[in-house]
Amino acid sequence: KQEVTQIPAALSVPEGENLVLNCSFTDSAIYNLQWFRQDPGKGLTSLLLIQSSQREQTSGRLNASLDKSSGRSTLYIAASQPGDSATYLCAVIGYSGGGADGLTFGKGTHLIIQP
Amino acid sequence: DAGVTQSPTHLIKTRGQQVTLRCSPKSGHDTVSWYQQALGQGPQFIFQYYEEEERQRGNFPDRFSGHQFPNYSSELNVNALLLGDSALYLCASSLGLAGTDTQYFGPGTRLTVL
Repeated sequence: KQEVTQIPAALSVPEGENLVLNCSFTDSAIYNLQWFRQDPGKGLTSLLLIQSSQREQTSGRLNASLDKSSGRSTLYIAASQPGDSATYLCAVIGYSGGGADGLTFGKGTHLIIQP
Repeated sequence: DAGVTQSPTHLIKTRGQQVTLRCSPKSGHDTVSWYQQALGQGPQFIFQYYEEEERQRGNFPDRFSGHQFPNYSSELNVNALLLGDSALYLCASSLGLAGTDTQYFGPGTRLTVL
């Protein structure tokens, strides 16, 4: 059974710092890995999708890497801003005999950027 | 281009009742998945619908059932509600079953069971 772990559970940093969020998963048989952002009481916003054959993806100040063999991904946020404050969730799609499974999520990293 | 929409936004029910939640996928998407998110936890996969059939299912009891309509919209039904069913229910849409497409989420339905 796939398990996804995110470290740290919470992080508070001053504005302007670069930071790294970590995600690990137990089963390397995945189609892809996605990073999401969730604001309190809201739905999920997709940030980056990395296919299993890719090593990294970039969007603006965000960069996500994937090391499938070691079951790890990192989300790098450059020059953090107060508007980046949210919970960041990592999720993977594995596959079974019937095709792609649903997303398996970690519990998230609660990020606070201090002005 | 409309994103994923869900209704209602909030819902309050009592134990033992039944509830129906609705989801309209992003334009052009044909696959709908449902997730349950308890407070402080990551979402958990309930099931996935494609071509009006349930294709994959997570570890949820038969009290949770669903339906997909020809226009790709979907319903989630929960029977015999328990207090533990209180959660944010999220719908996600994507294209096909290949597992390579980005999943787009709706704003969710907050269900409270009293």
